[in-house]
Amino acid sequence: EVQLAESGGGSVQPGGSLRLSCAASGFTFSTYWMYWVRQVPGKGLVWVSRMDTDGFITDYADSVKGRFTISRDNTKNTLYLDMNNLRAEDTAVYFCARDREMRVSKWYFDLWGRGTLVTVSS
Amino acid sequence: QSALTQPASVSGSPGQSITISCTGTSSNVGRYNYVSWYQQHPGKAPKLIIYDVTNRPSGVSNRFSGSKSGNTASLNISGLQADDEATYHCGSYAFASNLVFGGGTKLTVL
Repeated sequence: EVQLAESGGGSVQPGGSLRLSCAASGFTFSTYWMYWVRQVPGKGLVWVSRMDTDGFITDYADSVKGRFTISRDNTKNTLYLDMNNLRAEDTAVYFCARDREMRVSKWYFDLWGRGTLVTVSS
Repeated sequence: QSALTQPASVSGSPGQSITISCTGTSSNVGRYNYVSWYQQHPGKAPKLIIYDVTNRPSGVSNRFSGSKSGNTASLNISGLQADDEATYHCGSYAFASNLVFGGGTKLTVL
């Protein structure tokens, strides 16, 4: 079955760190650009970061630049998001998502995980 | 504050048509034909229903259609069905490798 499954969420104090993982299965992970998108429950979607197929190109939203790092391990079919210096406003459900097309970044997401909740609170 | 502006809620009766607007700026919706729409049921992940302003992915009902005029994109849903009740999010590519979304519109089928 084609799917994405996030893990690693939880509660952390402000200034703390977390690593999110996104395990891909059922498709050739290494041929897709991958993304992280977050959503405060009941609110809109917010793009966080993206990475190309080989792990060389990365982009970040201004709100997380310098604090979050996206990476991937194509041998393990896994996408990561390392989050440092977390703030209360980072509290959200974090989704990983796959680009709709192979090998290019079209910024359209046709496959999503179920999300993992990150709560930043003292 | 989301970069794209959507109405918080819309409603319609079964069989009717509704339109959801998504207003951006000349730096996103007005500049690029890279507008998308996602449907999200409670507790579920979003589902892509429109991309490139007007295109539907395979398997998405032709009751969903998209359009754009200037800085405003629109999603039309015809022949409303109970299962259409969900939150709809618009998204647009923006200058300098950025993607922006609206705040989401909750559709209620009366």
